[in-house]
Amino acid sequence: QKEVEQNSGPLSVPEGAIASLNCTYSDRGSQSFFWYRQYSGKSPELIMFIYSNGDKEDGRFTAQLNKASQYVSLLIRDSQPSDSATYLCAVTNDYKLSFGAGTTVTVRA
Amino acid sequence: KAGVTQTPRYLIKTRGQQVTLSCSPISGHRSVSWYQQTPGQGLQFLFEYFSETQRNKGNFPGRFSGRQFSNSRSEMNVSTLELGDSALYLCASSLEGEAAGNTIYFGEGSWLTVV
Repeated sequence: QKEVEQNSGPLSVPEGAIASLNCTYSDRGSQSFFWYRQYSGKSPELIMFIYSNGDKEDGRFTAQLNKASQYVSLLIRDSQPSDSATYLCAVTNDYKLSFGAGTTVTVRA
Repeated sequence: KAGVTQTPRYLIKTRGQQVTLSCSPISGHRSVSWYQQTPGQGLQFLFEYFSETQRNKGNFPGRFSGRQFSNSRSEMNVSTLELGDSALYLCASSLEGEAAGNTIYFGEGSWLTVV
């Protein structure tokens, strides 16, 4: 079983719609959970992090964490073409980040 | 506030050579970690340093090594380069590393091509 699994993509959404990304993790000791956005040829850019159960909102982004279900998600509201990228879910344990394979999102105009 | 700085950004090496990559973390950050990203394997953890001590190491051969200096700057070295070492090498910094609430930021990366 992989440490971090993300819903397979690619995910195509129309401009203005909500993009929903899901991630599950295997280590119950994981403390912090991150969503990074990565454009082709660029390094990962931190867009959200969460460490308490519940929702955390930042602008058009909402992260949700459910430690009992070992599940973390990211919602992107009012999707824009500039949101087209690969989204990486990552969790911390043993002083390292473990990453999912990423979900590629395409926002079509 | 300056971000994570990695040098060099791009380099081409020949098989059998060695390479040293450098990372300067965000000011005040004491944890530095390194990752390798390839199309086939995704992002894989190499090692993490905090206050000059390696706290964790990923599943990479001994050709991959690193260190951290007293000013928190870090270097990683790959000896006897192989074609498969061609990748984007990413450095990440945070205040403490794993503690809940610590944000972790990446540098722009060093693109290594081995020919």
